[in-house]
Amino acid sequence: GENVEQHPSTLSVQEGDSAVIKCTYSDSASNYFPWYKQELGKRPQLIIDIRSNVGEKKDQRIAVTLNKTAKHFSLHITETQPEDSAVYFCAASRGGLTGGGNKLTFGTGTQLKVEL
Amino acid sequence: DTGVSQNPRHKITKRGQNVTFRCDPISEHNRLYWYRQTLGQGPEFLTYFQNEAQLEKSRLLSDRFSAERPKGSFSTLEIQRTEQGDSAMYLCAIGGSYEQYFGPGTRLTVT
Repeated sequence: GENVEQHPSTLSVQEGDSAVIKCTYSDSASNYFPWYKQELGKRPQLIIDIRSNVGEKKDQRIAVTLNKTAKHFSLHITETQPEDSAVYFCAASRGGLTGGGNKLTFGTGTQLKVEL
Repeated sequence: DTGVSQNPRHKITKRGQNVTFRCDPISEHNRLYWYRQTLGQGPEFLTYFQNEAQLEKSRLLSDRFSAERPKGSFSTLEIQRTEQGDSAMYLCAIGGSYEQYFGPGTRLTVT
């Protein structure tokens, strides 16, 4: 089955700096890579995702890059703000299957702290 | 609002008791998932429904766990003879072929 590794486990940055979180996956058939943000006591919230036919995707201050050959993908947050402080999870799945589920396999999470 | 509600939000039960959780998608989605999340970990897949059919189950889902989705709308997850190791957040998610959106979860504490 799929195995997703995520680094670092904790990340502390100064407000306004950039933050980068990296994940690797093992299943070469995985083709969908979402990122979730989870604040304490709340649900995981989908913030950005990328499919394997794209190398990079950007949405305002967040971007995700994918290297299929190396089987790794990364989340980039620029101009960090205190409200970006949360746990971030990467995930991978075989998406787009007709009649099949695309169960997500998650990384172990990164606790991001943005300090003033 | 991600279009999914879950009840109850919190459940405290004694070891050996049975518990049932409910997931209600606000709008129609043919795909519904259950995940379990323990403290400090990412969610782990438990089971998946396409409409009313349960198409995949994780080996994490022991025979004490059962899930249903009658009529392809709401879903229930039952745990029989609860154990302390069952203490976790149980998350329901809905989605299409790719994206999944999580409900607020039910936090189970087994004492």
